[in-house]
Amino acid sequence: DAGVIQSPRHEVTEMGQEVTLRCKPISGHDYLFWYRQTMMRGLELLIYFNNNVPIDDSGMPEDRFSAKMPNASFSTLKIQPSEPRDSAVYFCASTPDRGVTDTQYFGPGTRLTVL
Amino acid sequence: GNSVTQMEGPVTLSEEAFLTINCTYTATGYPSLFWYVQYPGEGLQLLLKATKADDKGSNKGFEATYRKETTSFHLEKGSVQVSDSAVYFCALTPMFSGGYNKLIFGAGTRLAVHP
Repeated sequence: DAGVIQSPRHEVTEMGQEVTLRCKPISGHDYLFWYRQTMMRGLELLIYFNNNVPIDDSGMPEDRFSAKMPNASFSTLKIQPSEPRDSAVYFCASTPDRGVTDTQYFGPGTRLTVL
Repeated sequence: GNSVTQMEGPVTLSEEAFLTINCTYTATGYPSLFWYVQYPGEGLQLLLKATKADDKGSNKGFEATYRKETTSFHLEKGSVQVSDSAVYFCALTPMFSGGYNKLIFGAGTRLAVHP
């Protein structure tokens, strides 16, 4: 399997622009997670999906952030409008089951820079 | 609440030196414990895990033992290599996590190994 795929790997945009990050989970994995990594706050869970349904979005920082999972093989995280404080590395991860011992498989991340 | 505390980095070692990265946690009951590693420019990947007290996780020469009495999960390796240079994250999944393996990460410890 190719693992979790994210695109783009790097994104540079100007404040106020819309940004869309994409993720393809590992086939057969029922859970998908979006994380944000910054120096100040470390790794934060933003939202997770189970069978394409958003279950917990309590980590989404504000209404400018939205996430969708239209099918089992694709998810997007959108920021509109973007702000410089959104600059971070965004990771997508997936896992096959909900067991507390299960491994999460991470993608390579998208490094977002908002100027 | 649930939290993970790691020793601050960076940790700088010479090749073949002994490595210890301290990790302590706060959680109710018996969480599952993990070490993830992030190599430069990549996503996180599972290094090892332990799911109950006194379990020892091991992989690639790294070991960590789940110590309930000291709420610790310290990472050790007897002889580090330059290729071990990375950021290491200690993490836990609470015993009662609402039906999914919600990972709570420490801040990460950067390891730099020199020849």
